[in-house]
Amino acid sequence: AQSVTQPDIHITVSEGASLELRCNYSYGATPYLFWYVQSPGQGLQLLLKYFSGDTLVQGIKGFEAEFKRSQSSFNLRKPSVHWSDAAEYFCAVGGNAGNMLTFGGGTRLMVKP
Amino acid sequence: DAMVIQNPRYQVTQFGKPVTLSCSQTLNHNVMYWYQQKSSQAPKLLFHYYDKDFNNEADTPDNFQSRRPNTSFCFLDIRSPGLGDAAMYLCATSRVAGGPDTQYFGPGTRLTVL
Repeated sequence: AQSVTQPDIHITVSEGASLELRCNYSYGATPYLFWYVQSPGQGLQLLLKYFSGDTLVQGIKGFEAEFKRSQSSFNLRKPSVHWSDAAEYFCAVGGNAGNMLTFGGGTRLMVKP
Repeated sequence: DAMVIQNPRYQVTQFGKPVTLSCSQTLNHNVMYWYQQKSSQAPKLLFHYYDKDFNNEADTPDNFQSRRPNTSFCFLDIRSPGLGDAAMYLCATSRVAGGPDTQYFGPGTRLTVL
C-alpha cells in the first residue's frame, strides 16, 4: 500500500527566509507526486507535480520540488517566503491507473513578519 | 475559466436531518471525487465516479451516498448527519482515475451539524 509522511506538522519561518517542507513516500512502482496548498477555508490548489523526466520541477508561486528516488523523497522548497504563503501544504502520491491519491498529513506553515 | 464549483460554501444542518451538497465542473472530466476533510487532517476519499461507474471506498459509511446525473454534476447526500460528520467536503475532478493525471479541487463546502 502506498503512503506519504510529512514529518513536520508545523513550521514557522520569517518572511524572506528560505523554506523546505519534507515529504517521504512509500510506493512500489513509479510514483506520481504532487504538492497542494490549502488556505484556510479553501480547497486544494495544485502547486506542482512530478510524473517523469527532470527530477527538479518548478511550480506556481515560486515553489520548486526535487524528486529523489534513492531517498523516496519529494521535498518542496522556496528561496524566499512571503507572508501570503502561510497555509497548509499537502504532499500526495499517486500510482498506476486506478490508484487513488494518498495524501500526507499536511504541514502548516506560519510566516513571521 | 474552467473550474470546479461547489454549492453551498457553508451548510448548516441539524442532527439527523438529510443534507445534499453539490458539485459541478466545466472541465469535462470523466472522474469526479468526494473527499471529507476534518480539521487539521488530510482529505479522506469517500468515493469517486468514473463516468457513471460508482466506486465506494471500503470504509465510507452507508450514511453517505452519491449521485452523478450527468458529466457535469455530482451530489453528496448525507442521509442522517451526526455530529461527527461536521467537516469540509471537497469535490475534485480528473480526466482519468489514477496514473499520471492531476486532480482539480473545488473550494469546498463547510458542513456544520447542530
